[in-house]
Amino acid sequence: AQKVTQAQTEISVVEKEDVTLDCVYETRDTTYYLFWYKQPPSGELVFLIRRNSFDEQNEISGRYSWNFQKSTSSFNFTITASQVVDSAVYFCALSEAGQGGKLIFGQGTELSVKP
Amino acid sequence: DSGVTQTPKHLITATGQRVTLRCSPRSGDLSVYWYQQSLDQGLQFLIQYYNGEERAKGNILERFSAQQFPDLHSELNLSSLELGDSALYFCASSLELAVTLDEQYFGPGTRLTVT
Repeated sequence: AQKVTQAQTEISVVEKEDVTLDCVYETRDTTYYLFWYKQPPSGELVFLIRRNSFDEQNEISGRYSWNFQKSTSSFNFTITASQVVDSAVYFCALSEAGQGGKLIFGQGTELSVKP
Repeated sequence: DSGVTQTPKHLITATGQRVTLRCSPRSGDLSVYWYQQSLDQGLQFLIQYYNGEERAKGNILERFSAQQFPDLHSELNLSSLELGDSALYFCASSLELAVTLDEQYFGPGTRLTVT
């Protein structure tokens, strides 16, 4: 069965600290996609990244980086030099090929960055 | 701004009533998805339509129904409302049928409060 676990419910850091948000997934499929979305206090869901199961290369986008490890079924998200504007709830999600567009979300991690 | 629009932004109604939530996908997108976000259940996939046809179904209650019209906008109908239906309802859209080909972009959501 599909499942996404974000064990960290809340994280609080001080501005400029690095922070890693953990995501562990379960799937029986060999072809699947992983996602991260950001939900700021305003409520909308903002797409951050999509990664397929055959691409284990780490990705960096500005202060954001993602570490995908199939061996541990993890897709972790690191924010370097965090800023107050990074405060939001971050969701990891999974979709299996053949399931259409169905996204299975984790429970989310609420990140608070204090000045 | 994702390009996905949802109306209304807020809806307050009484138990037993029926409401309709509306979604307009991004220009050119053929797939529309509905998700429910509540405190106890988190973000859950409800249903997907692709070019007017239902393509995937999640844990959608029988009291809920949806459709996608020829102009590709979609409506989610919630009937016999209960207090537990209070939630944020998101619509998302993508160009393709499956996430293997395209990511989903979310609208701002409709916050439903059932009193």
